[in-house]
Amino acid sequence: ETGVTQTPRHLVMGMTNKKSLKCEQHLGHNAMYWYKQSAKKPLELMFVYSLEERVENNSVPSRFSPECPNSSHLFLHLHTLQPEDSALYLCASTRGTGATEAFFGQGTRLTVV
Amino acid sequence: AQSVTQPDIHITVSEGASLELRCNYSYGATPYLFWYVQSPGQGLQLLLKYFSGDTLVQGIKGFEAEFKRSQSSFNLRKPSVHWSDAAEYFCAVGALPGGGNKLTFGTGTQLKVEL
Repeated sequence: ETGVTQTPRHLVMGMTNKKSLKCEQHLGHNAMYWYKQSAKKPLELMFVYSLEERVENNSVPSRFSPECPNSSHLFLHLHTLQPEDSALYLCASTRGTGATEAFFGQGTRLTVV
Repeated sequence: AQSVTQPDIHITVSEGASLELRCNYSYGATPYLFWYVQSPGQGLQLLLKYFSGDTLVQGIKGFEAEFKRSQSSFNLRKPSVHWSDAAEYFCAVGALPGGGNKLTFGTGTQLKVEL
């Protein structure tokens, strides 16, 4: 059981497709994150949103476009991806600006063909 | 910049044996330290965290970790491992970039438990 829900769990897309990943948190948190988990590499922080404003963008290519319409929802829009973008994409949330623990969703396993 | 090193990529222990997973961090200020566990196909679950105070912290599932500032370490321990503990374990250090909690993760340690 998790307070952070990600859909879809699995996604296969072609390099010319456009798709979106969705994350929803039911914890009343006001900060949300996208992480990328590739094989044999540390989790990479992609984006941070606090109070629906983007506060960090870790040099992520523009083919990844985040959207945070409210404090409970976070999207990652994908277009013209490359095979090396295949990874597990994890969403997380925290209560906010304090040094609080992050709660993670189960991730979306993305395969780019 | 903060960084985390988990020197052991794979560890195999027998069920019932003790376990220690190593974590070293680099961070300029007082770190906020975490251990997460990830089962196959799942997201990350928090095992325990250290913010301040007692340097020996207790977590879920019988895990504990000790913060040693002099060694820049935050090793995870469990006195008796169960087969269900087989998973990947991540150490992380947190920073506060003016909003939210930015976590830097290690590369993880894959734990295998032999019955």
